[in-house]
Amino acid sequence: NAGVTQTPKFQVLKTGQSMTLQCAQDMNHEYMSWYRQDPGMGLRLIHYSVGAGITDQGEVPNGYNVSRSTTEDFPLRLLSAAPSQTSVYFCASSYSGGAGEQFFGPGTRLTVL
Amino acid sequence: EDQVTQSPEALRLQEGESSSLNCSYTVSGLRGLFWYRQDPGKGPEFLFTLYSAGEEKEKERLKATLTKKESFLHITAPKPEDSATYLCAVQRGATNKLIFGTGTLLAVQP
Repeated sequence: NAGVTQTPKFQVLKTGQSMTLQCAQDMNHEYMSWYRQDPGMGLRLIHYSVGAGITDQGEVPNGYNVSRSTTEDFPLRLLSAAPSQTSVYFCASSYSGGAGEQFFGPGTRLTVL
Repeated sequence: EDQVTQSPEALRLQEGESSSLNCSYTVSGLRGLFWYRQDPGKGPEFLFTLYSAGEEKEKERLKATLTKKESFLHITAPKPEDSATYLCAVQRGATNKLIFGTGTLLAVQP
């Protein structure tokens, strides 16, 4: 199993550009989530999904969209990038149906100029 | 408001020098408390789940304990490969969200 994969690993955007961060898992996990990690702030939940077709907001959802059309994929869309969205983004999935014991991807480092 | 506070922010130990990391929390109806390890440039890796006060979990040199207000991650005779950031997170009952602390950066020197 590849586990949780994320692409790209690094990305530089200009303010106002849009992009999609890709996340896929091959463990048939129902629960998937997106976090951002900033120095001194810890991991903060952006959006999560408890199954295909079901998504919900986390702690910091503004400026981000998600959809879950399949169990395997959970892309994160930045609609109009801002410098405040410069961060490291992690995707995670869980088999338990809840949020606790999550498997994390390797992360995407995003810089918005 | 749900809150997780970890201390210390950073800890430097000599190889073999045992110590503890603290995670204090305020949450309504704790569903679970989780410990993760994060190596530089990588995603967090799950270590333990604790569900109720008095519960303990062990894995190699690590032991996690839980009270009604805090959790401790005890590291016995650490080795340099234990160097990492240790993250604590809580899940409130009936939610599917984790709240993370800011972590403790542990450095174990040979």
